[in-house]
Amino acid sequence: EIVLTQSPGTLSLSPGEGATLSCRASQSVSSTYLAWYQQKPGQAPRLLIYGASSRATDIPDRFSGSGSGTDFSLTISRLETEDFAVYYCQQFGSSPLTFGGGTKVEIK
Amino acid sequence: QVQLVQSGAEVKKPGASVKVSCKASGYTFTSYTIHWVRQAPGQGLEWVGWIHAGNGNTKYSQKFQDRVTITRDTSASTAYMDLSGLRSEDTAVYYCARDLFPLIVAPPMGYTYWGQGTLVTVSS
Repeated sequence: EIVLTQSPGTLSLSPGEGATLSCRASQSVSSTYLAWYQQKPGQAPRLLIYGASSRATDIPDRFSGSGSGTDFSLTISRLETEDFAVYYCQQFGSSPLTFGGGTKVEIK
Repeated sequence: QVQLVQSGAEVKKPGASVKVSCKASGYTFTSYTIHWVRQAPGQGLEWVGWIHAGNGNTKYSQKFQDRVTITRDTSASTAYMDLSGLRSEDTAVYYCARDLFPLIVAPPMGYTYWGQGTLVTVSS
């Protein structure tokens, strides 16, 4: 099973600041099969990035994904108030499909 | 527009089974995979398994292999997740989610549409 470790656990930032979230895999994951989600309290997750770097439909360009092999990252260039949420990475490269433990981005 | 509508909340006793439904609309049901993901209270996301709605092929997480069955009814455009031998640790919100692309185009790569979630509570 591929374990995804997200860091940091919590990121305390102010609106307008940039954020970089990390997702590290215990084994190599094809870039094609790495996705990022945003989840707000009481809501289902929302797909942000698939294929490590492709933005999903209607996702603002302040969100970008990068990485390969075992190291992936999600960058939010300038945080807006609606971006404060929990972010998860997920790998589809091998079964079982697995999620990272999440990074909470909170208002400082 | 694409929608996934799940059945309502359930309260079950330990050892019982639960069946959650996920009715799809707004797209060709048989062209996509439907996945099930759960989230325990205050915890992260956990993949349970998926079904190809067209041919009925399934794949399950080994963690649930002995207790979960995912099926579909193409005439009703509905997928089902049946979990047996419930224990308190199974208390969670269960989501169905649809894959990004039709399986004929690409393998699973991300979930663009999600159901609203079904809270399953296991308590004696």
